[in-house]
Amino acid sequence: EVQLVESGGLVVQPGGSLKLSCAASGFTFDDYTMHWVRQAPGKGLEWVSLINWDGAVTYYAVSVKGRFTISRDNSKNSLYLEMSSLRVEDTAFYYCVKDTTSGYSGYEIGSFDYWGQGTLVTVSS
Amino acid sequence: QSVLTQPPSASGAPGQRVTISCSGTRFNIGTYYVNWYQQLPGTAPKVLIYRNTKRPSGVPDRFSGSKSGTSASLAISGLRSEDEAYYYCAAWDDSLSDSYVFGTGTKVTVL
Repeated sequence: EVQLVESGGLVVQPGGSLKLSCAASGFTFDDYTMHWVRQAPGKGLEWVSLINWDGAVTYYAVSVKGRFTISRDNSKNSLYLEMSSLRVEDTAFYYCVKDTTSGYSGYEIGSFDYWGQGTLVTVSS
Repeated sequence: QSVLTQPPSASGAPGQRVTISCSGTRFNIGTYYVNWYQQLPGTAPKVLIYRNTKRPSGVPDRFSGSKSGTSASLAISGLRSEDEAYYYCAAWDDSLSDSYVFGTGTKVTVL
């Protein structure tokens, strides 16, 4: 059974930093592209970032580029999201998401077949 | 903020057909595949349609997707109470910087 378990969500002050983790199991982790998707309370989905199977390729949403860093450790079946210079508008549930492919852009990217339960990041003074 | 525009709401009586539109540009829907996701209250999203028209195993054939030019649609036929949820389209976008984008979301209400 595929499981994605996020952790690390906290209340943090504006300008602060935080690192989210996602523990993956039930599939061959390094065969797939992984994503972070967030959802502010009561709002829609916003894609945040992706990383390809070996970590060599990453993409970011314009809203987080330069502030967030995605990474993975295939030896630990883990995905990470380092967030800095946090803003109030970064407040959201952050989901760890598995792609159906190893593709990472355009036609190659797949769909999102497994999602974690989400971890809440609150940016507030 | 999203580059994919959906109507905020749609509704229908049980058994009816509901269609949700997703409008984009040549930089996203006009070029790349569209996926559709269903989000039931309090749960993580689930993929309903991938690559414009394909259904993952386990998704009822009441759900169907289509794409024409820079727009895509999700149709739900034989509407059931358990279909009441939010629905999001999504696609790759290379207009400003390469990224993946979700639609604005549509709340489907079963009357």
